[in-house]
Amino acid sequence: EPEVTQTPSHQVTQMGQEVILRCVPISNHLYFYWYRQILGQKVEFLVSFYNNEISEKSEIFDDQFSVERPDGSNFTLKIRSTKLEDSAMYFCASSNLFSGNTIYFGEGSWLTVV
Amino acid sequence: SQQGEEDPQALSIQEGENATMNCSYKTSINNLQWYRQNSGRGLVHLILIRSNEREKHSGRLRVTLDTSKKSSSLLITASRAADTASYFCATVSSGSARQLTFGSGTQLTVLP
Repeated sequence: EPEVTQTPSHQVTQMGQEVILRCVPISNHLYFYWYRQILGQKVEFLVSFYNNEISEKSEIFDDQFSVERPDGSNFTLKIRSTKLEDSAMYFCASSNLFSGNTIYFGEGSWLTVV
Repeated sequence: SQQGEEDPQALSIQEGENATMNCSYKTSINNLQWYRQNSGRGLVHLILIRSNEREKHSGRLRVTLDTSKKSSSLLITASRAADTASYFCATVSSGSARQLTFGSGTQLTVLP
């Protein structure tokens, strides 16, 4: 069964450093998302991306965050200058117009900022 | 309560019993989806129910949706120890493209 894959599975970074989280969405999907889950809290929406541009973003997704689809398969989330409170599990997801809005998630990338 | 709140927060049952989890939400929705998450792992999609549907089945799962009460329930029949996980409901609001708003989840423990 096709799946969303994410790398790295776990990253530890120093506060203030830039981090790039990578995702390969399901191949025929057109809509891409990033969500995050701080330990013990709800899963929160960050951003959605369609047709090479951001279609929706939350208040969390400030100027420190950016997304990019650098080629036909990868979808990345960049955090420019990490803060302690960015420590969380980051989930990539994708969906297809014809999948009935079912959104499929990857296994997540644990980010620990120290 | 906030959009997509599950009830109960934790549920512990014996293998073979049925597990029922409830979800309430506040805004008009396009659809409601249930996900499962094993500890520290990704979110696995279980079932999607559209706002014009009232009930849906998938294997041992049964989901109901009552838009007048803004609530949904997930029933897992004949539970197994492997069903132990957190279960989340997530809504896509009317007027949103596809943004999911998640609840806090129900931690289900199925005892062998």
